[in-house]
Amino acid sequence: EVQLVESGGLLVQPGGSLRLSCAASGFTFSSYSMNWVRQAPGKGLEWISYISSTADSMNYADSVKGRFTISRDDAKNSVYLQMNSLRAEDTAVYYCAKGGVSDYWGQGTLVTVSS
Amino acid sequence: AIQLTQSPSSLSASVGDRVTITCRASQGINSALAWYQQKPGKAPKLLIYHASNLESGVPSRLSGSGFGTDFTLTISSLQPEDFATYYCQQYYSFPRTFGPGTTVDIQ
Repeated sequence: EVQLVESGGLLVQPGGSLRLSCAASGFTFSSYSMNWVRQAPGKGLEWISYISSTADSMNYADSVKGRFTISRDDAKNSVYLQMNSLRAEDTAVYYCAKGGVSDYWGQGTLVTVSS
Repeated sequence: AIQLTQSPSSLSASVGDRVTITCRASQGINSALAWYQQKPGKAPKLLIYHASNLESGVPSRLSGSGFGTDFTLTISSLQPEDFATYYCQQYYSFPRTFGPGTTVDIQ
C-alpha cells in the first residue's frame, strides 16, 4: 500500500525557516518524481515544487522560487522542502504527492506563519 | 505560465443528475490534464489523467474528454459521495498549474 506521510509543519514567525519531510512507502521511491502542493485556508490547490526521480531536475512556482528548496534522499525514501524567508501568505497545508501525475497524496502538514 | 479556468465555479445538483465541469487552458496542452476530487479536510484524489484515462478504482460514471485547450469532466449520474470540489491540473509544462476548482453541492 502506497503511503506518504508529511511532517514538520509548525507555527513559525515571519522571516523564519522550516523544513518539511515526506516519508514514502509501498512503492519504489527512487523511480518516481515527487511534488509539493499547498492549500491556503479556504483556498484552492497551488503546486509549488517538483523534483525528478534522479534529482537532476527541480522546478518551483514563482511564489516560492529563491526561498524554497526541494530535495530527496532515496536511501530514506523521503522528499524534503526547505522553506526560508517565510511569509504570512505561505500559511497553508502542505501536501507531498507522488509522480508526474500525482496519483497518491499524503494527509498534509499545516504550516502557520504568524507573529 | 499556463492558466486554467474552470466553469462553473460552483453548482447545485441532485442525486442522479448528469453534471459537466469544464476546464480551459490558456494555451494548448495536448492531453496533459488531470482531474482531482477533494472533500473537506482530506487530500485530493486523482480521478482522471491524460484527459480521459480513468484512474484505477474510480467509478465508471465519471469520464473525461478533451484535447488542446478545452476539457470536460462528466459525472453521468451524481451519487451522494460525489459532492465535493473538483480541480483540473495541467502537467504539460512547468510551473504546473491547477484550476480554481468547482464545488458540487446538494441542491
